[in-house]
Amino acid sequence: AQTVTQSQPEMSVQEAETVTLSCTYDTSESNYYLFWYKQPPSRQMILVIRQEAYKQQNATENRFSVNFQKAAKSFSLKISDSQLGDTAMYFCAFMKLISGGYNKLIFGAGTRLAVHP
Amino acid sequence: DTAVSQTPKYLVTQMGNDKSIKCEQNLGHDTMYWYKQDSKKFLKIMFSYNNKELIINETVPNRFSPKSPDKAHLNLHINSLELGDSAVYFCASSQVEKGLYEQYFGPGTRLTVT
Repeated sequence: AQTVTQSQPEMSVQEAETVTLSCTYDTSESNYYLFWYKQPPSRQMILVIRQEAYKQQNATENRFSVNFQKAAKSFSLKISDSQLGDTAMYFCAFMKLISGGYNKLIFGAGTRLAVHP
Repeated sequence: DTAVSQTPKYLVTQMGNDKSIKCEQNLGHDTMYWYKQDSKKFLKIMFSYNNKELIINETVPNRFSPKSPDKAHLNLHINSLELGDSAVYFCASSQVEKGLYEQYFGPGTRLTVT
């Protein structure tokens, strides 16, 4: 069974600084996706970034980028130029690729990020 | 326009009651899901439906019964509510057949059982 571990329950960062959130996962699969979701106090789950396991290039979305180390089974999220609106719970998630709707997300326990002015 | 919507957003009820949560997506997706987020913020899949067919049922008690009247709707009915059912329930959708595996979530329904 796949597991996702986020070892940092809480982190804080000053506005405009850079912060990295850690995620490791355990799987014997070779074909999968990884995601980071953000959950601000509003409770909405927002997709931040995704990474396909077959792609060597790290995904980037504006200020958000990942460091995907497939052999190490590591998938960290870097937030550059942190903004107050980045304050949220961040969840790392694993998805095994199977056809026909079996694609469930397996979530880590989350990291609560606080951005301070 | 809201992509994935849920009603109600808040639900407070007593033990033993039966309640339903509704979900609608206007993204044209073929697969819909229910996730449960417990008091410690842990998220876990409950069900998934692909083209109205139940695909995933993650050992959820029989008191929980999902129903998908069409591809755009997935409802969750809960019988004989228990204190432990208090949680936030999220609906999500994705377009699996086109290889678009990202799941887009609704705003969640906070269920409180007293």
